[in-house]
Amino acid sequence: GESVGLHLPTLSVQEGDNSIINCAYSNSASDYFIWYKQESGKGPQFIIDIRSNMDKRQGQRVTVLLNKTVKHLSLQIAATQPGDSAVYFCAERDTGTASKLTFGTGTRLQVTL
Amino acid sequence: ETGVTQSPTHLIKTRGQQVTLRCSSQSGHNTVSWYQQALGQGPQFIFQYYREEENGRGNFPPRFSGLQFPNYSSELNVNALELDDSALYLCASSLDGWHEQYFGPGTRLTVT
Repeated sequence: GESVGLHLPTLSVQEGDNSIINCAYSNSASDYFIWYKQESGKGPQFIIDIRSNMDKRQGQRVTVLLNKTVKHLSLQIAATQPGDSAVYFCAERDTGTASKLTFGTGTRLQVTL
Repeated sequence: ETGVTQSPTHLIKTRGQQVTLRCSSQSGHNTVSWYQQALGQGPQFIFQYYREEENGRGNFPPRFSGLQFPNYSSELNVNALELDDSALYLCASSLDGWHEQYFGPGTRLTVT
């Protein structure tokens, strides 16, 4: 299958532990942020999103935190499972270009048993 | 599964040739965006089509062009292929340009 992110930063986490993946963005005009998960051989899969008027949003086992002051976004995964192993991308969209998502470089999450 | 399909899955072309990639959007979605993903990198926005009109373009040369059809399926055409065009090409559909984008599995293009 596909090899995604051969030289990406890697986070190794034991099964059952919590994972935190970080992302820095650069565009102050960005108003919408999304986390995607990409498994080998597949397209990016939507995980969770957050708008700039929020600091935190929770989903099932996932939480996204947004710090606009330092332009930082994080994804927290609770009770990490082997199926969470993938490359994770943050993406941003600014108000003036509703059509365009700008992706970060990605982080590979490896879940060890 | 997102309901977004792409064809073909894999493609090998020679430098200088032309290629057409196809995408079928999720039912009810009228917007399709195309992205190029080089190995080890995040997807890069190529352009977006909304109701058959181009609605935003990234930093790609004019030899990258597209179409959207009345049923909202879409094509990406690349002329005069270069070695650096080798990448995974992703399409994503959304309700409109403002809603979340759902990606297809991609087409792996190799230019030799």
